[in-house]
Amino acid sequence: DGGITQSPKYLFRKEGQNVTLSCEQNLNHDAMYWYRQDPGQGLRLIYYSQIVNDFQKGDIAEGYSVSREKKESFPLTVTSAQKNPTAFYLCASSISRQRPNTEAFFGQGTRLTVV
Amino acid sequence: DAKTTQPNSMESNEEEPVHLPCNHSTISGTDYIHWYRQLPSQGPEYVIHGLTSNVNNRMASLAIAEDRKSSTLILHRATLRDAAVYYCILRDTNAGKSTFGDGTTLTVKP
Repeated sequence: DGGITQSPKYLFRKEGQNVTLSCEQNLNHDAMYWYRQDPGQGLRLIYYSQIVNDFQKGDIAEGYSVSREKKESFPLTVTSAQKNPTAFYLCASSISRQRPNTEAFFGQGTRLTVV
Repeated sequence: DAKTTQPNSMESNEEEPVHLPCNHSTISGTDYIHWYRQLPSQGPEYVIHGLTSNVNNRMASLAIAEDRKSSTLILHRATLRDAAVYYCILRDTNAGKSTFGDGTTLTVKP
């Protein structure tokens, strides 16, 4: 089945460590996005990518990094510079950012906890 | 970025219609109005979208005001499975900047 897969579902990290969250899609979508969600709040955009080898900062990019070496994959690294990384992270994709009349598909999220 | 405003919470009885409002007074002519819903600890799920005309699909209906400054998501017969957080967002060709806001938490009572 086509879809977007995030792994792992739960992730624990020690303070000061970098950690990478995986996001893979087999929908042949050009655009991919990373969001952060804190309890009781909406989604905030971290990074987005329109096409392979291109990505742009969102509203809260500090302390995060991404890569887009393949169309299907858009991993997010939470670095030690991110002061409060404990959150629910969501990855999404859409056919193209240039087609706002199409829906975005979301993964099931990764819950990151710093211990 | 154009933003949306939604009530924090709403309640409905099972099998009754639900009207979820959204204000977007700064909407631009190229913004599409999208609705998503999110169950606890899951990713958001697409519900419906529209530009100017009212829209219907198997999940819901979307009523868009003539001036496009507001819209209403209509669930015709709420079920317990419709209990979720509903987000109204605007998407244009700069869709990477879509702002989700805090959404409306819908509670459905049996």
